[in-house]
Amino acid sequence: SQQGEEDPQALSIQEGENATMNCSYKTSINNLQWYRQNSGRGLVHLILIRSNEREKHSGRLRVTLDTSKKSSSLLITASRAADTASYFCATDPLSQTDSWGKLQFGAGTQVVVTP
Amino acid sequence: DVKVTQSSRYLVKRTGEKVFLECVQDMDHENMFWYRQDPGLGLRLIYFSYDVKMKEKGDIPEGYSVSREKKERFSLILESASTNQTSMYLCASSRVLGGYTFGSGTRLTVV
Repeated sequence: SQQGEEDPQALSIQEGENATMNCSYKTSINNLQWYRQNSGRGLVHLILIRSNEREKHSGRLRVTLDTSKKSSSLLITASRAADTASYFCATDPLSQTDSWGKLQFGAGTQVVVTP
Repeated sequence: DVKVTQSSRYLVKRTGEKVFLECVQDMDHENMFWYRQDPGLGLRLIYFSYDVKMKEKGDIPEGYSVSREKKERFSLILESASTNQTSMYLCASSRVLGGYTFGSGTRLTVV
């Protein structure tokens, strides 16, 4: 079952521009994670933000988390053609009976960066 | 370098065949997962395992079984392949509450 929902579904930008995508979720979480998938390949883990964190950076990536609004955003700064991929958010739900780190993935945002 | 290896990138099988998809990780992770990914449906969890010989059903276990006899290996079995099991299959591993490391995926076509 999907908990995270990304917005927008698709995004087209030019190299050098920033790309922002959002993720909303429904239940309380341990952490939220972002992944990238290049066409036809497996997903690559980008960043993990814990429920008690508000912002995290990794290179050109900036992730924010607002647990009161149950939402997160991923910002890619100074985008490159190589950033063309699908981006997924995944939540690790907080549950008393299920604490095995079982992620729930959203449907993804397809990002196209043109030179 | 890595890390999670799926035995085949592409596989074509006939309806009714028994199909084995193998996944091996070299990071000593406790958790292992099998997902299928279909256009418009995202990633759906088939089975996961949090320890050797332990397994739990995910969201869509029907028609599948799994085996984890060793910590590093998690196998997905299609008991009798059907055309609606044509899909991209993704294996992943993780530590508890950690990020996932995915394999490159197996694109299975059942004809």
